[in-house]
Formats: sequence, C-alpha cells, structure tokens
Amino acid sequence: SAVISQKPSRDICQRGTSLTIQCQVDSQVTMMFWYRQQPGQSLTLIATANQGSEATYESGFVIDKFPISRPNLTFSTLTVSNMSPEDSSIYLCSVRGQGIVDEQYFGPGTRLTVT
Amino acid sequence: AQKITQTQPGMFVQEKEAVTLDCTYDTSDPSYGLFWYKQPSSGEMIFLIYQGSYDQQNATEGRYSLNFQKARKSANLVISASQLGDSAMYFCAMRAPPGNQFYFGTGTSLTVIP
Repeated sequence: SAVISQKPSRDICQRGTSLTIQCQVDSQVTMMFWYRQQPGQSLTLIATANQGSEATYESGFVIDKFPISRPNLTFSTLTVSNMSPEDSSIYLCSVRGQGIVDEQYFGPGTRLTVT
Repeated sequence: AQKITQTQPGMFVQEKEAVTLDCTYDTSDPSYGLFWYKQPSSGEMIFLIYQGSYDQQNATEGRYSLNFQKARKSANLVISASQLGDSAMYFCAMRAPPGNQFYFGTGTSLTVIP
C-alpha cells in the first residue's frame, strides 16, 4: 500500500486568490491523480500527472485554472487559481496500487473553502 | 460509456444488524474491476473491497462482502454486524478501459443507530 500526505489539510481563502496543494507519496509512482469532491458530491477526476510530462486534464478542467507540477516520482502539486466560491471542495491526491488489485490509494484530502 | 449508479442516497441500520448498499454499473468491456470505498466525515477515502470481472467467487474482507451479480451488472456491498464506526459515506467505483480510469458513484450515506 502507499502512504500519501497532503498539505494543507484545510484552508479558507478569499476569492481571486490561488492555493497550492502539495501531495507526497512514500514510494515512487508513475502516475498521480488529482480529484475534486464538491460538497455532497462524488469524486471527479481533474487530471493525471505524469513525471516529466504535461498533466492530462479531464473534460471541464483546464491548465490555466488548475496548473499541476510533477517534479519527481514522489511529489506533485495542484494549484487552484483565481478562486471563486464554486471551487470550495475537497481536493484529493491519489495513486494507483502496484499489486494485482490495483486499487486507488487516496491522500487525506485538502478541504478548501472560498469566501 | 462507463457508468456507476448508487440509488440509495441515505441508509439507516441498527447496530449489530447487516446492511446492503446497492451499486449497479454499466460497461461494454469484459475486463473491469469493482471497488468500494468508505469516506468518514474526516474526508479520507478508505479502500474496503475489490471484485474483478473474471472472479468466480464473491469477494469478502472481514465484515465486508461484495454480492457480485455479473448478469445484472450489480456489485452490492454487504456489511455484517454493523458498528457505530461504520457510519460514513460509501462509494462504489469501477476501473475500466480505456486508460483504466476510476469512475465513482454518487455515494450512499450510512448511519448506524445505537
């Protein structure tokens, strides 16, 4: 299994500002995933971050709004830019397991509130 | 298109009783994986149980079992002997081609009553 940590665990931000969320994994992984969970909703994949290449964004998410960095095989950041109240969500970092089951492991999440 | 459906927004169960959380899925690919996750109020996602599309037997993990009915495309989670700590959101998910992306259902909120 993978142990994933995220910083910050929660934050309250003003609209128009940006927040960078950090994700650290205790093992080297090829792909890291960023999910958004809006209040009372399910998880939605924002993008897949590969080391050494540009992140791949899902429909409805763009790099200007959610820039991602992946400097090495154990670390990634997600920035939520020019925030609005609609960005208030839990943001979760995730990696895929290496075993037969290949489940997704999730970080503890970053609970963001935009006022 | 891949799709996961959870039709029970909220469920209640008496402590020590068993409860079934429903999940149906839709995929045209013969190779897929089905997962259940628990999300307590703290927000973390906890992996509970997995069922592969080619698995002949229903998966079990302690008090969790997965009632896999392939022809009906259902993968219901059964929690036996419910405990107060089981109160949480439960998400059904499917991993399927292309790209083996995970698709999540809308979740079921389970409340265990003392």
